[in-house]
Amino acid sequence: GAVVSQHPSRVICKSGTSVKIECRSLDFQATTMFWYRQFPKKSLMLMATSNEGSKATYEQGVEKDKFLINHASLTLSTLTVTSAHPEDSSFYICSATGQGWNEQFFGPGTRLTVL
Amino acid sequence: AQSVTQLDSHVSVSEGTPVLLRCNYSSSYSPSLFWYVQHPNKGLQLLLKYTSAATLVKGINGFEAEFKKSETSFHLTKPSAHMSDAAEYFCVVSPSGGYNKLIFGAGTRLAVHP
Repeated sequence: GAVVSQHPSRVICKSGTSVKIECRSLDFQATTMFWYRQFPKKSLMLMATSNEGSKATYEQGVEKDKFLINHASLTLSTLTVTSAHPEDSSFYICSATGQGWNEQFFGPGTRLTVL
Repeated sequence: AQSVTQLDSHVSVSEGTPVLLRCNYSSSYSPSLFWYVQHPNKGLQLLLKYTSAATLVKGINGFEAEFKKSETSFHLTKPSAHMSDAAEYFCVVSPSGGYNKLIFGAGTRLAVHP
């Protein structure tokens, strides 16, 4: 199957700082990438969908100015958590799919802890 | 509204015994249904998917699931559990039948004992 990586796997930051998480498709061109958030012992919640070269589409209730998503190339999407606060601490997971594909391939996730 | 309910947050079985992970869905359209597995420090892996073809779907690692429209269920089964099956399992629905908008259940943690 297709491989998706995320970097970093874990990050700890101070409240008020910004954190960037990278999502890469290693062996395919990802025309669409998705960002999810997973709370402890809860399911994954879709935050936004991004198509390469276009602005991301955010789900209801997700602040686009706080969670900046960039999908500038067919192999890389970034999620920047701006002015992070402790309530932003969570597990962030990306997934990617190719043109006409019928499956999303998931990255291993990034654990963000905001102190 | 579309939703997925996984009826058990934790399931514990002995190695070699059957596995049953229960899932009920709610969807206004003809849904696509999936089961994903999440091992620690690894990405979610697709086990199997239902997309309006055969109602009994066979997946990887000996897992299968049966789509029952009358019961709005999509339970995951395996005849004989292996230690390596211990993981978190997610039942997922794509309400419109596509593959982009995925709605995840809360997950079921499967423990397998020797």
